[in-house]
Amino acid sequence: EDQVTQSPEALRLQEGESSSLNCSYTVSGLRGLFWYRQDPGKGPEFLFTLYSAGEEKEKERLKATLTKKESFLHITAPKPEDSATYLCAVQHSNSGYALNFGKGTSLLVTP
Amino acid sequence: KAGVTQTPRYLIKTRGQQVTLSCSPISGHRSVSWYQQTPGQGLQFLFEYFSETQRNKGNFPGRFSGRQFSNSRSEMNVSTLELGDSALYLCASRPSPSGPNNEQFFGPGTRLTVL
Repeated sequence: EDQVTQSPEALRLQEGESSSLNCSYTVSGLRGLFWYRQDPGKGPEFLFTLYSAGEEKEKERLKATLTKKESFLHITAPKPEDSATYLCAVQHSNSGYALNFGKGTSLLVTP
Repeated sequence: KAGVTQTPRYLIKTRGQQVTLSCSPISGHRSVSWYQQTPGQGLQFLFEYFSETQRNKGNFPGRFSGRQFSNSRSEMNVSTLELGDSALYLCASRPSPSGPNNEQFFGPGTRLTVL
């Protein structure tokens, strides 16, 4: 069965304390892996798309990487405004270009 | 460029009623997808429309339906509402379902509460 699993479910960091969020997937024919950020009461905000193993993308304090089985979202020196739920989604040959989402990681960064 | 807009933002209905939600995609985007988000199941795909045709459908009952108009605006309808239909309904748009740069951009959602 096609699955997307994110860990941890929740993460609390001190401001400046770097960490990584994990997204593991078991799907056939990966077409793309997407990272989104979602603030409470809002729709998901697009962050990155990764298409092949070894690919990396960066934006400010965030860096996303991809292997054949998982993706990591590295957060370097986070700030309180980075607090949000981070969602991972995959697009694969069985999904017809729809997004199959993980349950998300809720990140809280305290001052 | 204006983002994806959804109306209404909040809706309260009672069991058995039906509801229609509306979505206007980003200008130039011809593909519109709908997702349901609940605390227990997370984000789940409902369906996608492109050029007024349903291109893909998720695993939801037939009470959930949608359509797309020639200007790419889309509506989804839920008939005979159940308590479990309470959720945030999200619309997302992209230029087309496949090809490069096909990331989806989401609207703010419609919060539906069924009493």
